[in-house]
Parts: sequence; C-alpha cells; structure tokens
Amino acid sequence: NAGVTQTPKFQVLKTGQSMTLQCAQDMNHEYMSWYRQDPGMGLRLIHYSVGAGITDQGEVPNGYNVSRSTTEDFPLRLLSAAPSQTSVYFCASRMQGNTGELFFGEGSRLTVL
Amino acid sequence: ILNVEQSPQSLHVQEGDSTNFTCSFPSSNFYALHWYRWETAKSPEALFVMTLNGDEKKKGRISATLNTKEGYSYLYIKGSQPEDSATYLCAFGTSYGKLTFGQGTILTVHP
Repeated sequence: NAGVTQTPKFQVLKTGQSMTLQCAQDMNHEYMSWYRQDPGMGLRLIHYSVGAGITDQGEVPNGYNVSRSTTEDFPLRLLSAAPSQTSVYFCASRMQGNTGELFFGEGSRLTVL
Repeated sequence: ILNVEQSPQSLHVQEGDSTNFTCSFPSSNFYALHWYRWETAKSPEALFVMTLNGDEKKKGRISATLNTKEGYSYLYIKGSQPEDSATYLCAFGTSYGKLTFGQGTILTVHP
C-alpha cells in the first residue's frame, strides 16, 4: 500500500523561486493537511482540507497556497520562496472527523538559499 | 492559536525505568486528543486517539490517560527500552477538524 506519497523528498531553491510540493494519498481520506517541522517548534499546521474543493488556513499559512481539486491530491505551492521557508514539510491525511489517526508522508526537506 | 503544551521537553532515562510525560490542552471545544511517536529519520506514527473524558488506552508497555475537564493527558512507558527512544507528540483536535500539535517530548533511553 502506498499510503501518503510526497514528492520531492529534497529540494534546494533560490530566494524568489516558486515550486510545488506534491502530496497524494490512496486511502480515500477526506482530510488532508500540510505541516512544517522546525527545530524546537514541533509540527505547525500550514493549511488543511476537509474534502475536495474545501481548504482552510492553519497556524502558519503565509507564503503558501493550496488547492484540493480531487480527494487524492493536495499540493502545496510556494509562490516566491524565502529563506524562512527552509524546513521539513509533512503531508498527512485521515478519515473525516477527529477520531481517525493521521497518516504521514515521508517528508520533504526544502532549503531556500 | 490553540495552546498545546508538552512537558518535559526532553527526558533521559535508563533502560528499565518507567516514565511519563504530560500534554496540556484547552479544556473547551475538545473533540479528540492524539498521541504520536516519531523516530529519527521516520514519519510520525499514531499511538492513541482518545475522545472521552477518563479514557485510558494501552498498547504493550505504553499507556495513556485523558482528562478533558482539566485539559491534560499523560503518556506512560513502563520498563523503558532503548527502542522507545523517540519524540512523543500529542495533538489536540477540535470539532471543525483542525489538529494542533504540541512541541513534543524527546525521550532518550540509555542501555
């Protein structure tokens, strides 16, 4: 089972460049989310979606865009990368409602120079 | 921004010791409390999801309790082993779907 698949695993960008982190899940999960992980900060929620066509902001949404055109995919876009966006990004999904556990992708390490 | 606090930030114990950590969360608008284990170079994996005040969950040597009225959950590890070394995360869930994580407790178990 593929579960949650994130690509790319590693990426180096220059300030001002744009890129998209891809996330796909094959578990028919309605809820998908993006987190960033920084030293000493735990996991901070960037954006989340409770179903196709529905997205909402998390704790740290600035500088990131998302869309949810299908149940399976939830891409995260950086329109103009900044060094402050250097981080490890995790996509996670679960069944609708808060009683289902989150399933995480393997993470994407992004460095912005 | 919801305040989810975990303590201690880090913990060093000897093999065989029992240990516990705390997760504090808002007592209002509670829907669920999750615990995850995060090993180095891997992704977080779920340990427990608890929804009812007084819930107790157990998986092997690891157990958790929940007090939603006072806003805390404890995670216990009995007879710690080196393979228990990991970061333990709790996450607070509200009815509208958002899950907010604490900063984690880093556990190191020394042989």
